[in-house]
Amino acid sequence: EAQVTQNPRYLITVTGKKLTVTCSQNMNHEYMSWYRQDPGLGLRQIYYSMNVEVTDKGDVPEGYKVSRKEKRNFPLILESPSPNQTSLYFCASSPYSGTGGNEQFFGPGTRLTVL
Amino acid sequence: ILNVEQSPQSLHVQEGDSTNFTCSFPSSNFYALHWYRWETAKSPEALFVMTLNGDEKKKGRISATLNTKEGYSYLYIKGSQPEDSATYLCAFLTWNQFYFGTGTSLTVIP
Repeated sequence: EAQVTQNPRYLITVTGKKLTVTCSQNMNHEYMSWYRQDPGLGLRQIYYSMNVEVTDKGDVPEGYKVSRKEKRNFPLILESPSPNQTSLYFCASSPYSGTGGNEQFFGPGTRLTVL
Repeated sequence: ILNVEQSPQSLHVQEGDSTNFTCSFPSSNFYALHWYRWETAKSPEALFVMTLNGDEKKKGRISATLNTKEGYSYLYIKGSQPEDSATYLCAFLTWNQFYFGTGTSLTVIP
């Protein structure tokens, strides 16, 4: 089944404890992206990747890191989480060709709480 | 920071009513405009991807139009059904980066 998977789905952690949220897609998509969803703010792009070893900052990259060592995986790393990173996180992938004509497929979401 | 606005913020309609929402976006550096449907406790799912000025897309009772020169897109739902209840998101793509609106929450009352 074609899908985007994220793990964990739920996480409660404490300030400063490094964590990684994994994202994997089995559709051979070039474009992958991380978003956070906060009430009243809509989905905001954190980082995106056009292909292996190519990553770029989105609108709200502060406090996050990503890597794209393999085409299928795009982990989101919070080196020192803070309470303002409490949010619902989505990973998405797309066979983006550079013209914007391809839809994004979203993972199930990860609800993160930082105490 | 780039602004993508959706209106109305929420909408309640009776089953069978037709309705429409608006997405406004910058008219410069346009790559694409995406519409997504987001049901509670699920993930957003793509409805339409529109890339050309004047584009019109249709999927069943749902259709969308695009005006890139003036920076707006309309989403229409004809004969709303309770299963259409969801949040509808638009996303503006420019320079490989997506900017989402805050969505229109639609409730269809049986």
